[in-house]
Amino acid sequence: DAGVTQSPTHLIKTRGQQVTLRCSPKSGHDTVSWYQQALGQGPQFIFQYYEEEERQRGNFPDRFSGHQFPNYSSELNVNALLLGDSALYLCASSGTPALNIQYFGAGTRLSVL
Amino acid sequence: SQKIEQNSEALNIQEGKTATLTCNYTNYSPAYLQWYRQDPGRGPVFLLLIRENEKEKRKERLKVTFDTTLKQSLFHITASQPADSATYLCAPSNNAGNMLTFGGGTRLMVKP
Repeated sequence: DAGVTQSPTHLIKTRGQQVTLRCSPKSGHDTVSWYQQALGQGPQFIFQYYEEEERQRGNFPDRFSGHQFPNYSSELNVNALLLGDSALYLCASSGTPALNIQYFGAGTRLSVL
Repeated sequence: SQKIEQNSEALNIQEGKTATLTCNYTNYSPAYLQWYRQDPGRGPVFLLLIRENEKEKRKERLKVTFDTTLKQSLFHITASQPADSATYLCAPSNNAGNMLTFGGGTRLMVKP
């Protein structure tokens, strides 16, 4: 049973560029959440997708957008990259909305130069 | 605004001792609280969930308490081992919200 998979593992971009990160949820899970984790900090919630719609959003600008596909996989897009966007981007899936236990992937390390 | 505080300083203990990590929250009334473990370069891994009507929850060498009056959760690891060295994150949550908010985490170092 495959867990949450994310790609790519590492990415280097320059300021102003756009980036797309990808995530496949754990088998049987239909809800995908994205988090940003800066070095030495806890994960910060970006948004959550369920049934191909954004269900909830954290305090992130519109430069951060996402999508969920019919097979429940998801993408995170970040436009007009800033140096401060450098972080570990984590995808998590869940299958029990009431408890919201998150199963995380290994993350994508994004470096913006 | 909601605030979750975990000791940002690393906790260093000797192998075999009990490690106790603290999670305090303010402006929050969580229905339950989750604890996760995160190793360097990896995603967090779910460990335990405790509900507001549960005072204590155990799983093997792990024990979590939840005091809604003090607005605090304690996470204990008994008979700690070097393999327990990691960062531990707490995340209070409620039934209505889908968003999971994490504390900053506490790094635990268990020395042999």
